[in-house]
Order: sequence, then structure tokens, then C-alpha cells
Amino acid sequence: ETGVTQTPRHLVMGMTNKKSLKCEQHLGHNAMYWYKQSAKKPLELMFVYSLEERVENNSVPSRFSPECPNSSHLFLHLHTLQPEDSALYLCASSQVGQGNEQFFGPGTRLTVL
Amino acid sequence: GQQLNQSPQSMFIQEGEDVSMNCTSSSIFNTWLWYKQDPGEGPVLLIALYKAGELTSNGRLTAQFGITRKDSFLNISASIPSDVGIYFCAGQRIGGGADGLTFGKGTHLIIQP
Repeated sequence: ETGVTQTPRHLVMGMTNKKSLKCEQHLGHNAMYWYKQSAKKPLELMFVYSLEERVENNSVPSRFSPECPNSSHLFLHLHTLQPEDSALYLCASSQVGQGNEQFFGPGTRLTVL
Repeated sequence: GQQLNQSPQSMFIQEGEDVSMNCTSSSIFNTWLWYKQDPGEGPVLLIALYKAGELTSNGRLTAQFGITRKDSFLNISASIPSDVGIYFCAGQRIGGGADGLTFGKGTHLIIQP
């Protein structure tokens, strides 16, 4: 695998379900990010992890819970979501201190019924 | 919060034409990035700009970091069918740090044969 990978690519869940999104970066980067992309809205930053510590949380509802066990892996745990949470969830990674260009994964298309 | 105004929202052009799009902000950014997103995929980095006034090219693409640090433009010369997609500008407040990106709403490029 190369670059940034995300699984699953598509997810349909009910409002009472618990699911997790997974992201893995194969670039040797030390920072990882979660973004939400909704129709007709700009990409919205959700969480930032640098050196496995959360450094930013953009007022995201607690039904979204991130986890970064190591510098290569990032999870987004989902619990009792709402239909308006349906969106494309994008993971990105970067190397802090070297320009910080962010490289994105293909995203997980989430539908909440 | 910070906002980026990206224009135009969409462009309908003929193959072979040149394309120009831009982003403006009310806030200063230390880094400007331009991405392209194809349907069902994550954004792919095209060009990164780090210094006010910087002009950078990547093949048929040219981008500039505005001297005021509040704007940037992207030009595509001699467009081809594979240029179709959505182009996003993104700004970063802290150069080289673990900082989320602020995105524009995108310019949807459509090429008519």
C-alpha cells in the first residue's frame, strides 16, 4: 500500500449503531487529520493529531471520537449519529516541520439512515 | 472563523482554452495549497506555495501566492479532458506546523469537446 488508505470506502449505518472509520498512512508522516466534506460546503477540519497527541478539536460533537494509537493509524469512532452527519470523511497526513503539505486518502462515504 | 472565497464556482470551457481561478481571504495565510478532487476520490495536491509573491509551476499549472498573503490564483494552460474536476484552494495559518487547512468551496471545471 502507498499513500493514505481509508477503510471502509462506503458505510451505511443506523442512528443507533456504533462503527469506526480507519485511516493508515504509509508516508512516514507525524501528523494526521480528519475532515468532513458535505455537499456544497467547504471541507471542514474536525481533528488534528501531531505526534499522536490531539492538538485541535474543532467543536465536533461528542458522537465523533477520534483515536490515534500510533503515527501511522487514525480512527474515527462513530456513535448514535444523525442523518445530517452523512458526508464524505477524509483523512490526511503531513510531516510537521517540512512544509506540512497534507496528503489525503480516498475518503469514506458515510450514510446515516 | 476564517473563510476563503473561491471563484468562479464553476467554469464551462472548450478543450485547449486557458483557465484561471482564484481565492481571497480576509485573513493572512502562511501557506497556500491547490488541490484537485475527482469524483469518489480524495483531494490530490497540485501545488504548494510558501512565500508571499512566489510563483510556482507544475506542468501546465501555474499558481501564485499573493503579495498581501490574503490571496492566490491558479492558472491551467491549454486545458485537456483530464483536467475536469473540482479544484480547491486551501490556506494554512502556521507554516510547517500541525495545523488544519481552511478550504475554499471549490471551482468545478467542465470541459466541452
